[in-house]
Amino acid sequence: AQSVAQPEDQVNVAEGNPLTVKCTYSVSGNPYLFWYVQYPNRGLQFLLKYITGDNLVKGSYGFEAEFNKSQTSFHLKKPSALVSDSALYFCAVRYSGAGSYQLTFGKGTKLSVIP
Amino acid sequence: GAGVSQTPSNKVTEKGKYVELRCDPISGHTALYWYRQSLGQGPEFLIYFQGTGAADDSGLPNDRFFAVRPEGSVSTLKIQRTERGDSAVYLCASSLTRREGDEQFFGPGTRLTVL
Repeated sequence: AQSVAQPEDQVNVAEGNPLTVKCTYSVSGNPYLFWYVQYPNRGLQFLLKYITGDNLVKGSYGFEAEFNKSQTSFHLKKPSALVSDSALYFCAVRYSGAGSYQLTFGKGTKLSVIP
Repeated sequence: GAGVSQTPSNKVTEKGKYVELRCDPISGHTALYWYRQSLGQGPEFLIYFQGTGAADDSGLPNDRFFAVRPEGSVSTLKIQRTERGDSAVYLCASSLTRREGDEQFFGPGTRLTVL
């Protein structure tokens, strides 16, 4: 079984400040980790993913995420938040191995960037 | 190129009726997925197609739900005898292959309301 936890329902940050959206996961086997963003009345948009290699991955719109195997975490970060980053963010995991097809998502974290 | 498209964008039906939801994946993508997203939750996996066959339908909640992909491209999710609890946003996604590291690209969803 695999699961994802996003411990914060909402994160508020001032424009220009760094932001972090937290994600922890549980899988058997090696994890494949993804971040998606959802704007109101729109579908999920892919931001970035970790497959293997460098623990720090960079993605779209200046976002990055750090994979930490010992803490089973994959927190999303951005050095300087924009008001336009306000949206719903989902962390998702998929494990390596036979029968691994689905993404398992967290419940989402609402990010509000305050001008 | 065009992204994943889903029709209709909204569907309102009465309890007990039959509905069909359509998904048109990105051209050339062999893997297709259906998810269901309830209010305040992350998407939950329903079914996965590789080509024309349903390789994993373990997420379908019961036998009222069925999906097809007869020519390996467009897919239709079919719900019989709809219930109020079926109300949700139904998301379709596609990926180039079924490899675990391939990101899934999501459509805008169909919002189903069962009265």
